[in-house]
Amino acid sequence: GAVVSQHPSRVICKSGTSVKIECRSLDFQATTMFWYRQFPKQSLMLMATSNEGSKATYEQGVEKDKFLINHASLTLSTLTVTSAHPEDSSFYICSARAPRQGGNSPLHFGNGTRLTVT
Amino acid sequence: GQQLNQSPQSMFIQEGEDVSMNCTSSSIFNTWLWYKQDPGEGPVLLIALYKAGELTSNGRLTAQFGITRKDSFLNISASIPSDVGIYFCAGPRTSGSRLTFGEGTQLTVNP
Repeated sequence: GAVVSQHPSRVICKSGTSVKIECRSLDFQATTMFWYRQFPKQSLMLMATSNEGSKATYEQGVEKDKFLINHASLTLSTLTVTSAHPEDSSFYICSARAPRQGGNSPLHFGNGTRLTVT
Repeated sequence: GQQLNQSPQSMFIQEGEDVSMNCTSSSIFNTWLWYKQDPGEGPVLLIALYKAGELTSNGRLTAQFGITRKDSFLNISASIPSDVGIYFCAGPRTSGSRLTFGEGTQLTVNP
């Protein structure tokens, strides 16, 4: 089945530094990837849609200058949390849609990145 | 944005019992997806439903796409301890649109 790999799984950084998270589709090409954020005991909230070769589309309330997204190839999207602050501490999860004939294909998720900003 | 109402919010059951959870929406969905999330991990797809009325099984799991296209349920039969986790329903309202997630059902299975 479709596999999405996310790295790193955990990262601890100091306030003010930047953190890059990678999301790779391992056995399929993904022109679109999605970045979600999940706070404890809450559902997944879509942050942005990453489009290969073009600018990402951000959801309302998500700062595009703070959460930089680069989708440089059909198998890699990166999310960079710039000038991280403790309130950015969260579980970040990427996903990609595997090809499916005939219509909608389900999203497959990476294993997430636990970001802790101290 | 569009919301999915998922219930129950949490369930505490004994091993061997059957479980049922559901999602409803005020709008029509053309796909229903059910995911399970273990602590500290990303959601894993359990079942995907693409047609109204569709009933699909995956081992001990069964899910149905409601006829009205506004609801779906997930059943787990003969629960085991490893069924513990958070179950999410999700769906895009139109082809290719972004996924909306339910609030999740936290399942606890007592041995």
